[in-house]
Amino acid sequence: AQRVTQPEKLLSVFKGAPVELKCNYSYSGSPELFWYVQYSRQRLQLLLRHISRESIKGFTADLNKGETSFHLKKPFAQEEDSAMYYCALSGHSGGYQKVTFGTGTKLQVIP
Amino acid sequence: GAGVSQTPSNKVTEKGKYVELRCDPISGHTALYWYRQSLGQGPEFLIYFQGTGAADDSGLPNDRFFAVRPEGSVSTLKIQRTERGDSAVYLCASSSGGGGSGTQYFGPGTRLTVL
Repeated sequence: AQRVTQPEKLLSVFKGAPVELKCNYSYSGSPELFWYVQYSRQRLQLLLRHISRESIKGFTADLNKGETSFHLKKPFAQEEDSAMYYCALSGHSGGYQKVTFGTGTKLQVIP
Repeated sequence: GAGVSQTPSNKVTEKGKYVELRCDPISGHTALYWYRQSLGQGPEFLIYFQGTGAADDSGLPNDRFFAVRPEGSVSTLKIQRTERGDSAVYLCASSSGGGGSGTQYFGPGTRLTVL
């Protein structure tokens, strides 16, 4: 079974402050991890994936297999970062890659 | 090109009625997924199509839920004898990767309200 846990429903930070959105996962194999974002009145979209090892909109996330974590970080929060963030895990299940989402964290950046 | 589209955007129905929700994936995407998102929750997997066939329907909650994709493009999620607990946003996503791999592109969702 694969599971994704996002412990914070809401995270409020001031503009310019660092941001860390937590994500822990449970999976017996080698997972592929993603962060999806949903801005107000927009559809869910991919923010980044761990295999790309890239920084998108200043966000980064490192897969820590020892701690089974994939926390999303940004050094200086911007107001436009306010959104719902979902961590997702893609794991092998019955011959295909099944994606499981966490419950999401609402990031609120205070001006 | 156009992204994933879903119709209707909103559907209000009465308990016991039948509803159909439609998804138009990105042209050429062979993989199609349906998710259900209840208030305060993340997307919950329902069913995955690879081409015309349902490769995994283990997320469908019961036999009132059924989905088809007869020509490997448009998909319809069908709910019989709707219940108030079926109220949620139903999301569709498509991807080009075989075997479920690759980035999923989501539609705007259909908000279903069962009175």
